[in-house]
Amino acid sequence: SQELEQSPQSLIVQEGKNLTINCTSSKTLYGLYWYKQKYGEGLIFLMMLQKGGEEKSHEKITAKLDEKKQQSSLHITASQPSHAGIYLCGAARNTGGFKTIFGAGTRLFVKA
Amino acid sequence: DTGVSQDPRHKITKRGQNVTFRCDPISEHNRLYWYRQTLGQGPEFLTYFQNEAQLEKSRLLSDRFSAERPKGSFSTLEIQRTEQGDSAMYLCASSLPPPFNTGELFFGEGSRLTVL
Repeated sequence: SQELEQSPQSLIVQEGKNLTINCTSSKTLYGLYWYKQKYGEGLIFLMMLQKGGEEKSHEKITAKLDEKKQQSSLHITASQPSHAGIYLCGAARNTGGFKTIFGAGTRLFVKA
Repeated sequence: DTGVSQDPRHKITKRGQNVTFRCDPISEHNRLYWYRQTLGQGPEFLTYFQNEAQLEKSRLLSDRFSAERPKGSFSTLEIQRTEQGDSAMYLCASSLPPPFNTGELFFGEGSRLTVL
């Protein structure tokens, strides 16, 4: 969706390196979600951010929300081959969270 | 397995044929969503149900597409007179109702459609 722009579109990193993926919304964010998708499979929920300045971590993945800028970043520390996949940001488009609009995704490849 | 299940996982059909996909959500989830994902893109919202009521339908869903959830449990997505542009992964997701719904969607593995 053009409502959510993700950058970069794809990323190749050496195992052990850190990386950051960004997501920018053109509309007000009521909630920002990060999902991971293995190629050809369904999406797996990673985390949700709701408040400006909120930061959450799951294992070596940390996400932050800048509500004023309507942006979120996802940071992976010491990448591993298991981190490879497509990272998708999603946004709730009303406060009830009825539906989620997704960005185009960032394709991450980790070289061993 | 108590996750969202989709059937079939893969479908190859000829242009003009009808296809139907089935989604079984997690049993206590009253919300069910259909998304379509093409290569290199994120999932695009198609429609969603709360129980048996279809509450929203995307403009992406042409008249050839119809979704049902007759008893508020499983759902079907039918595509009539398929076109090559319908080739995509069709994803189903379910979620809890408010106030238990934090917005997290639980996705199935998807049904991949190839129209020849």
